Amino acid sequence: GQQLNQSPQSMFIQEGEDVSMNCTSSSIFNTWLWYKQEPGEGPVLLIALYKAGELTSNGRLTAQFGITRKDSFLNISASIPSDVGIYFCAGREGAQKLVFGQGTRLTINP
Amino acid sequence: NAGVTQTPKFRVLKTGQSMTLLCAQDMNHEYMYWYRQDPGMGLRLIHYSVGEGTTAKGEVPDGYNVSRLKKQNFLLGLESAAPSQTSVYFCASSGDSFYEQYFGPGTRLTVT
Repeated sequence: GQQLNQSPQSMFIQEGEDVSMNCTSSSIFNTWLWYKQEPGEGPVLLIALYKAGELTSNGRLTAQFGITRKDSFLNISASIPSDVGIYFCAGREGAQKLVFGQGTRLTINP
Repeated sequence: NAGVTQTPKFRVLKTGQSMTLLCAQDMNHEYMYWYRQDPGMGLRLIHYSVGEGTTAKGEVPDGYNVSRLKKQNFLLGLESAAPSQTSVYFCASSGDSFYEQYFGPGTRLTVT
């Protein structure tokens, strides 16, 4: 199946800093999704992107669907302690299936 | 509206034992999925269902069976557990916009 590479694998930042992470694929996806997972919980959908070049915001989060359809980016502005968690990208493969990246673990120092 | 629920939350099995994980959703979603999550490997699809009475294999189906007898429930079975099946299992469901999947809280399974 298709593989997604997420980077960085982990980030250690100070509260208030902006965060950027990305996801790349060797193949084209028609939909990109970003999820956040907190310890002991299931992933929660943050943002869904449906068109190449699309830029979508959800509060302090902004995600973009790369113009080549092979990548996506997630930015978090002015990070706060509750942003801690693992962020996953996912691309739609075929009609019903998602392929997930390995995750970016975000740690914030207050 | 509970969303997606999973039972049990934790389970320890001995090698060779069997068990069934239950997933239930109250959102009237057509599509349901079972994933496993291992450290550093993200989420991998085990099996999925596109509607009541249907199932299909995902990326890592070996050693697992599933059933979707009712629209709201999706069962994952392990007939003979192996240590390699130690993992956290997540169920998800999706509706009309079937790529927006909603996840349950997970089941942590340890096979000794």
